[in-house]
Amino acid sequence: GNSVTQMEGPVTLSEEAFLTINCTYTATGYPSLFWYVQYPGEGLQLLLKATKADDKGSNKGFEATYRKETTSFHLEKGSVQVSDSAVYFCALSSSSGGSYIPTFGRGTSLIVHP
Amino acid sequence: EAGVTQFPSHSVIEKGQTVTLRCDPISGHDNLYWYRRVMGKEIKFLLHFVKESKQDESGMPNNRFLAERTGGTYSTLKVQPAELEDSGVYFCASSQGSYNEQFFGPGTRLTVL
Repeated sequence: GNSVTQMEGPVTLSEEAFLTINCTYTATGYPSLFWYVQYPGEGLQLLLKATKADDKGSNKGFEATYRKETTSFHLEKGSVQVSDSAVYFCALSSSSGGSYIPTFGRGTSLIVHP
Repeated sequence: EAGVTQFPSHSVIEKGQTVTLRCDPISGHDNLYWYRRVMGKEIKFLLHFVKESKQDESGMPNNRFLAERTGGTYSTLKVQPAELEDSGVYFCASSQGSYNEQFFGPGTRLTVL
């Protein structure tokens, strides 16, 4: 079956530091890959996505590249801000039973200090 | 435009009691989903409605969980009787079509003591 493994948190960084959150996956076929973010007190929001190998998703300074050879979709940002503090979820989905039900990882909490 | 809303935001109940969670999807979204995240674990799919019909309920853990979506608008998820392992955050999401982006609510944090 499908599964997603992401690095354990919390990840604690100082403002302007470089961020990497690792994510690897196991899936049959050719899934789409996603990063969701949950800011405190809010719902999950789609941060970025990639639908095929070598695609790069990007949004708000975050990037992730779909690497089929290493089955990875690591999230990166060159310079984090305090406002990036949130929980980040890696996810994949593939059409199954007529819908794209995502499979999520466990989430990684990011704490950015001023 | 209002997003997905969930009520209550928090609920603390004792083992054996009943709790009902509510989700109001984005207006016009036919697809509604329930998910659950147990502390520190993955967000797991519970079920999927298309309008008032259950499209997929393969993720429902057992028959203590009952989801309804009468009239195809808001949905309720009832847990009766609640057990300790039901504690977690219950998310609701909605989408226009089954293959469209899902928009998530803030979740209901359920604690069973």
